[in-house]
Amino acid sequence: DGGITQSPKYLFRKEGQNVTLSCEQNLNHDAMYWYRQDPGQGLRLIYYSQIVNDFQKGDIAEGYSVSREKKESFPLTVTSAQKNPTAFYLCARSLLGVETQYFGPGTRLLVL
Amino acid sequence: AQSVTQLGSHVSVSEGALVLLRCNYSSSVPPYLFWYVQYPNQGLQLLLKYTSAATLVKGINGFEAEFKKSETSFHLTKPSAHMSDAAEYFCAVSDFADKLIFGTGTRLQVFP
Repeated sequence: DGGITQSPKYLFRKEGQNVTLSCEQNLNHDAMYWYRQDPGQGLRLIYYSQIVNDFQKGDIAEGYSVSREKKESFPLTVTSAQKNPTAFYLCARSLLGVETQYFGPGTRLLVL
Repeated sequence: AQSVTQLGSHVSVSEGALVLLRCNYSSSVPPYLFWYVQYPNQGLQLLLKYTSAATLVKGINGFEAEFKKSETSFHLTKPSAHMSDAAEYFCAVSDFADKLIFGTGTRLQVFP
């Protein structure tokens, strides 16, 4: 799994519902990232965290929230404020200063 | 600010033909550059990385890329395409703040 897991693989959201995507890494990397992928738009950064209990907004943070209570875990919540949540969500990890990011297998979120 | 442009959202080649995927970057300082590959419904996998050591970088699966500062390019090549190379390829540049900026991707089709 490349040291990073995401669950579930598919997730369905009903109107007005918050859903949480899980991302866990077991390689003690400092930094973790959440990206959203839509066809033809590449990857867009939602949030990232370089240290426990701290995180920064990326380019498209509106309608999303995160937490980083443990080094190995960086869950993403898609809130009801995100009006177009259907996308493929990717989590990544990296060592600070090395720049290389390693990705999880992704979660596909669909709206019912 | 750093940016990446991938020319051609779709590239088609015959099996055994040369693969050339184009990437141009803009950066105010010598960049770190990356190529990633993504198979359908999977996460991104690192193909290769340029970090200012050698201008010709060899990666996995027979791919290589050449850094050309004068052309601000980092094109990805493979001498002979295989059916299993069909995937989406992303070029990325580091902002040296532990974030990557991704291109919009190039989908490679390989015909028998």
